[in-house]
Amino acid sequence: EPEVTQTPSHQVTQMGQEVILRCVPISNHLYFYWYRQILGQKVEFLVSFYNNEISEKSEIFDDQFSVERPDGSNFTLKIRSTKLEDSAMYFCASSEAYQQETQYFGPGTRLLVL
Amino acid sequence: QKEVEQDPGPLSVPEGAIVSLNCTYSNSAFQYFMWYRQYSRKGPELLMYTYSSGNKEDGRFTAQVDKSSKYISLFIRDSQPSDSATYLCAMSVQGAQKLVFGQGTRLTINP
Repeated sequence: EPEVTQTPSHQVTQMGQEVILRCVPISNHLYFYWYRQILGQKVEFLVSFYNNEISEKSEIFDDQFSVERPDGSNFTLKIRSTKLEDSAMYFCASSEAYQQETQYFGPGTRLLVL
Repeated sequence: QKEVEQDPGPLSVPEGAIVSLNCTYSNSAFQYFMWYRQYSRKGPELLMYTYSSGNKEDGRFTAQVDKSSKYISLFIRDSQPSDSATYLCAMSVQGAQKLVFGQGTRLTINP
């Protein structure tokens, strides 16, 4: 069964460093998303991406964040200068069409900022 | 008032019991309602979705939406130890891609 994959599974970084989280969405999916979950808190929407453009973003997704689809398979989230409060589990998701109800999630990248 | 509220539990029931999980919400514009299951250290796995009001059944799982009360439920019949996980409700507005999640309810099914 096709699935969303994410790398790395864990990342530890120093405050102020740049990190890139990588995702490979399901191959025939066209819409891509990033969510995050701070330990003990809700899963929160960050951004959605379609046709090489951001289609929707939350107030969390400020200038420190960027997304990119560098090739036909990968989808990345970059955090330019990490803060302690960026420590969280980051989930990538994808959907085949413009259907909120069929977003499929990857296993997540656990980011720890020291 | 929080946009989506879900009792975090934990909820512990014996194997074979009927489990009822619930969420309430405040935004009357929500039209799509989803239930995700999340095992420890894994991503959310889509279980069921419902558009607008009504019931939907899939095997041992039944999802209900009551828009007049802003209340959604997930019922699990004949619960199994493998159902032990955190269950997340999520919802969205027509025309938006953002999913708004509840806190998640941690469920344990005891053999």
